[in-house]
Amino acid sequence: AQSVTQLDSHVSVSEGTPVLLRCNYSSSYSPSLFWYVQHPNKGLQLLLKYTSAATLVKGINGFEAEFKKSETSFHLTKPSAHMSDAAEYFCVPYNNNDMRFGAGTRLTVKP
Amino acid sequence: NAGVTQTPKFQVLKTGQSMTLQCAQDMNHEYMSWYRQDPGMGLRLIHYSVGAGITDQGEVPNGYNVSRSTTEDFPLRLLSAAPSQTSVYFCASSYSRHTEAFFGQGTRLTVV
Repeated sequence: AQSVTQLDSHVSVSEGTPVLLRCNYSSSYSPSLFWYVQHPNKGLQLLLKYTSAATLVKGINGFEAEFKKSETSFHLTKPSAHMSDAAEYFCVPYNNNDMRFGAGTRLTVKP
Repeated sequence: NAGVTQTPKFQVLKTGQSMTLQCAQDMNHEYMSWYRQDPGMGLRLIHYSVGAGITDQGEVPNGYNVSRSTTEDFPLRLLSAAPSQTSVYFCASSYSRHTEAFFGQGTRLTVV
């Protein structure tokens, strides 16, 4: 079985400051890991994915995430937040046709 | 290329009514799934399918039925709607188990 914990339900940053959205997973074996973003009243869009290649994964819009097996973490970062980054972010481990979503982290970006 | 198309976008049902949420994809994906999204709970898997004629239950299957007669279509049926089924429903498809899932725009369902 697998599960995921997004450690913060809400993160607020100022425009131009770094973003850190935390995700820990538990799994009997290394899953594929995804981060998805959902802008208000929209569907979900893939930000980036880890599939056991490089542990540091670069995604769209300047986001990246590092897979740390020893810490069972896959935190999402961005060096400098933009107003358009305000959205809900979901960490998703994926095994055996089964995507299990975290509860999500709502990112607010203040001007 | 339309991707994943869900209809309708909005729906209001009375308790006890039945309805079908439609989902179609034009990417020839084998894997399709249905999720519901409720505040503070992320997306929860209702049912999924690994190909035409094959379906399986997810986390929260009760009150929902699915079938997969073609690769393209994966409808979700509510047999007897209940207020607890008020939610936003998303359909998704992917090429394989480890590849990106593409999501529809969602169906906002209210059961009164």
